[in-house]
Amino acid sequence: AQSVTQLGSHVSVSEGALVLLRCNYSSSVPPYLFWYVQYPNQGLQLLLKYTSAATLVKGINGFEAEFKKSETSFHLTKPSAHMSDAAEYFCAVSRSYNTDKLIFGTGTRLQVFP
Amino acid sequence: DTGVSQDPRHKITKRGQNVTFRCDPISEHNRLYWYRQTLGQGPEFLTYFQNEAQLEKSRLLSDRFSAERPKGSFSTLEIQRTEQGDSAMYLCASQLTGTGGSISILEQYFGPGTRLTVT
Repeated sequence: AQSVTQLGSHVSVSEGALVLLRCNYSSSVPPYLFWYVQYPNQGLQLLLKYTSAATLVKGINGFEAEFKKSETSFHLTKPSAHMSDAAEYFCAVSRSYNTDKLIFGTGTRLQVFP
Repeated sequence: DTGVSQDPRHKITKRGQNVTFRCDPISEHNRLYWYRQTLGQGPEFLTYFQNEAQLEKSRLLSDRFSAERPKGSFSTLEIQRTEQGDSAMYLCASQLTGTGGSISILEQYFGPGTRLTVT
């Protein structure tokens, strides 16, 4: 079975500060990992995905994530937070061979203070 | 706008009533997923279609739930005899996948969701 754990349901940072959102995964097969962002009353938008190519993945809006197999982690970072980054962030994992259904974590709400 | 639309965006219904939601995926996408998201949680997989075939259903999908994708294009999700526990955001996602057993690792595009409130 696959699962993801997002540590910290709420993260607050000041504008311009480093953003770090944590995600640890559990998977019996090589995982495919994703970060999605959700703005209020909207669907999910893909930020980035890990598909076993490069371990450091760059996404949209300046976000990146590093796949660390030894730590079973896929943390999301951004060097400098903007007010517009305030949203809910979800880490997700999928198998690739039978189905691409996504298994999501419980989410982390990012607040950005001026 | 991802190109995936859902209708209605909001639905308020009384317990015991039936409701139906519609999802229109991106036109050439062959795979369509339904997820449910309750407050404070991540989306949970309900079911998915490859063209018109429903290939997997979650245990979350009780016998009060039924989904169809009759012509491999739009899909409907019906909930019969709604309960207060059905209150949630219902999300649809579409995806273009490979054929012939190739690995499909392409993006799922999510619609804006239908928020259901059962009173």
